Amino acid sequence: QVQLVQSGGEVKKPGASVKVSCRASGDTSSSYAITWVRQAPGHGLEWLGWISAENGNTKYLQKLQDRVTMTTDTSTRTVYMELRSLRSDDTAVYYCAASGIKGYVTYWGQGTPVTVSS
Amino acid sequence: EIVLTQSPATLSLSPGERATLSCRASQSVRSYLAWYQQKPGQAPRLLIYDASYRATGIPARFSGSGSETDFTLTINTLEPEDFAVYYCQQRSDWPRTFGQGTKLEI
Repeated sequence: QVQLVQSGGEVKKPGASVKVSCRASGDTSSSYAITWVRQAPGHGLEWLGWISAENGNTKYLQKLQDRVTMTTDTSTRTVYMELRSLRSDDTAVYYCAASGIKGYVTYWGQGTPVTVSS
Repeated sequence: EIVLTQSPATLSLSPGERATLSCRASQSVRSYLAWYQQKPGQAPRLLIYDASYRATGIPARFSGSGSETDFTLTINTLEPEDFAVYYCQQRSDWPRTFGQGTKLEI
C-alpha cells in the first residue's frame, strides 16, 4: 500500500504560479512513478503528466508543456507539480496518483483544489 | 493522442439490474486499458486493469472485456453503492488519456 498526502488548497490570481506537493509513504520503492490528474468542476479527469521518482524522467500533456514542471525530492519522497501563467480554466482539483498494478494508477492522493480568480 | 470515447454519457438503471458501459479508442491500445470508479467528492478507484483483470478488493460483479479499440465494463446485479461515474484510461501511449466518463444513475 502507498499513501499519498497532498498540500492544501490554493487560491491564485490569473498569471500567477502554483506548486502542489505530494508526499508518499508506505510500501514505496525507488522505482515508483507519480501521475498528476486534474478535474475541473463538473468535468471529467484530465491526465497532466508523469514523473519517475527513480530517475526524474517526465512526460507532460503537450498543451501544458510550456507551463508545467514536475520534480521529485527523493530524500523526502515528495513530488511537486508547478503550473505557471495560471488561467481561470486551470481551476480544478489536482490529484497525484502512484502507479501500482502493471503500471496503472492505483493509489490516489486526497486532491488539492486550486482556484484561479481575479 | 489517443482519444477514448465512452458511451452512453448517462445510464439510468435500478439496483439489481445489469450495467454495460462502453469505451472506444481512436486507435489500438492493445489490452492496456483500465476502468475507474469515482464517487462525488472522492478520488477515483481502480476497478479493472489490462482490460479484464479486477484490481485488489473489487467485487466479482465487476468485469471487463475487449481489446484493441473496443472495451466493455459490465456490472452485474447493481448495488446501491455502484451508482457513480466510470472512466476508462489507456496506458498504451503518451499521453495516458481518459475517456469523458459515463454517469451511472438510479
